[in-house]
Amino acid sequence: AQKITQTQPGMFVQEKEAVTLDCTYDTSDQSYGLFWYKQPSSGEMIFLIYQGSYDEQNATEGRYSLNFQKARKSANLVISASQLGDSAMYFCAMREIYNNNDMRFGAGTRLTVKP
Amino acid sequence: DAGVTQSPTHLIKTRGQQVTLRCSPISGHKSVSWYQQVLGQGPQFIFQYYEKEERGRGNFPDRFSARQFPNYSSELNVNALLLGDSALYLCASSVDTLNTEAFFGQGTRLTVV
Repeated sequence: AQKITQTQPGMFVQEKEAVTLDCTYDTSDQSYGLFWYKQPSSGEMIFLIYQGSYDEQNATEGRYSLNFQKARKSANLVISASQLGDSAMYFCAMREIYNNNDMRFGAGTRLTVKP
Repeated sequence: DAGVTQSPTHLIKTRGQQVTLRCSPISGHKSVSWYQQVLGQGPQFIFQYYEKEERGRGNFPDRFSARQFPNYSSELNVNALLLGDSALYLCASSVDTLNTEAFFGQGTRLTVV
């Protein structure tokens, strides 16, 4: 069963504007972690931000913030002040701590920043 | 400090052959996970190793195997290669199995012809 859903195959944003990338997840576990990764064309997965299921505050890392809505099982990534270098694939992932410990990824969203 | 390193970066193999991919985790990290990323899709979990023991296995056939060495580096082996095994193989390291951060290498792009 699909556990991570990213409904936006592609997104466009104007340079210096903010953009939200959507992610919903499905789990019956209480203990899990949510991750966002950036994958440029080079292929490397770059860790951006993490949110634990018990964290009460939304995670922030520089220009990245995670809008965590636990009841809705939503973990959207917000990128503020977009830069041309932000153009890449973005993947949402979830790790169920006590379920085989694997990390499940969504299909990804391709973000293009326009000058 | 060096990040996660994978070798080789690119590889071309023929159907039926065997391949070994290598991963060196970040210094101090004891957990290594392997993922397969087919073009246009998100990565799929293959294995997780911690302290040289398998801690998790994804839905892959027995042709896929892995091991972790005392220095925490890891190898992924794939036997009897199929065309469908063509993918980017990613290795991720973390301090332990419950760590909040997992850092990926640049991947090995395997092409099976």
